[in-house]
Amino acid sequence: EAGVTQFPSHSVIEKGQTVTLRCDPISGHDNLYWYRRVMGKEIKFLLHFVKESKQDESGMPNNRFLAERTGGTYSTLKVQPAELEDSGVYFCASSQDSWSGANVLTFGAGSRLTVL
Amino acid sequence: AQKVTQAQTEISVVEKEDVTLDCVYETRDTTYYLFWYKQPPSGELVFLIRRNSFDEQNEISGRYSWNFQKSTSSFNFTITASQVVDSAVYFCALSEGTDSGYALNFGKGTSLLVTP
Repeated sequence: EAGVTQFPSHSVIEKGQTVTLRCDPISGHDNLYWYRRVMGKEIKFLLHFVKESKQDESGMPNNRFLAERTGGTYSTLKVQPAELEDSGVYFCASSQDSWSGANVLTFGAGSRLTVL
Repeated sequence: AQKVTQAQTEISVVEKEDVTLDCVYETRDTTYYLFWYKQPPSGELVFLIRRNSFDEQNEISGRYSWNFQKSTSSFNFTITASQVVDSAVYFCALSEGTDSGYALNFGKGTSLLVTP
C-alpha cells in the first residue's frame, strides 16, 4: 500500500508569504497528525485529526497556522504569514487505530520549509 | 521540561561494531508507551518498536535489541554488528495519557554514522 505522502518536499518562501503543505495519509486511516521539527530541536506535536474533526490542536503554535482536513481524506497545513521561526520540517503521520497512547504512527518524509 | 532525553547527538562507529543509543524519559503516569523510530536519509520516520510501561522484558529483533529499565527510566537501543545501512537518525519517543493527550514526545534524536 502507498505510504503517507507529503507535498512539497521543500519550500522556500520569504517572510510574510503564505505556504500550504499537503498530506495524503494512508487510505483508510482515520487518524492524521501533524508534527514539526525546528532545527536542533525535538519533533513537536502540532495537531491531530480524527476524520475531518480536530481531536487535539494543543500543539499549534499560534493563529498563523491553519490545518484542515475536508472530507476526512487529505489534510493541508497553511502558514500565513510565514515568519523566520516557522522554518523546519513538517511531518505528517497517520494511523488506523483509535486515539490512544499505543498508536503506531506511519510518518511521511516531511515537508521542509525555509523562510528567508 | 523535556520528557525524553537522548544525550548522544552524534555517534560514529566502524562497521561490525556494536553501538548503544541511550534514551532516558520522564513521566508521572503509570501507563505509558515508549517508541523508537528510525529516520534514514530518505526522510520518513520508520517505526522500530513500541513497549508499554508494564512490560519490562527486553526485546530482540535480529541485530536490534532494546533494554527497558523502569528503575532508571531508560529505554536503550543496541545495534549489534552494525552495518552501513544502519546509518540514520534514531528517535526515542514517549506517549502518555494525561495533559499531553497521547501525542508523541520525541527526543532530539541521535545521528548514527556507520562507516565501512
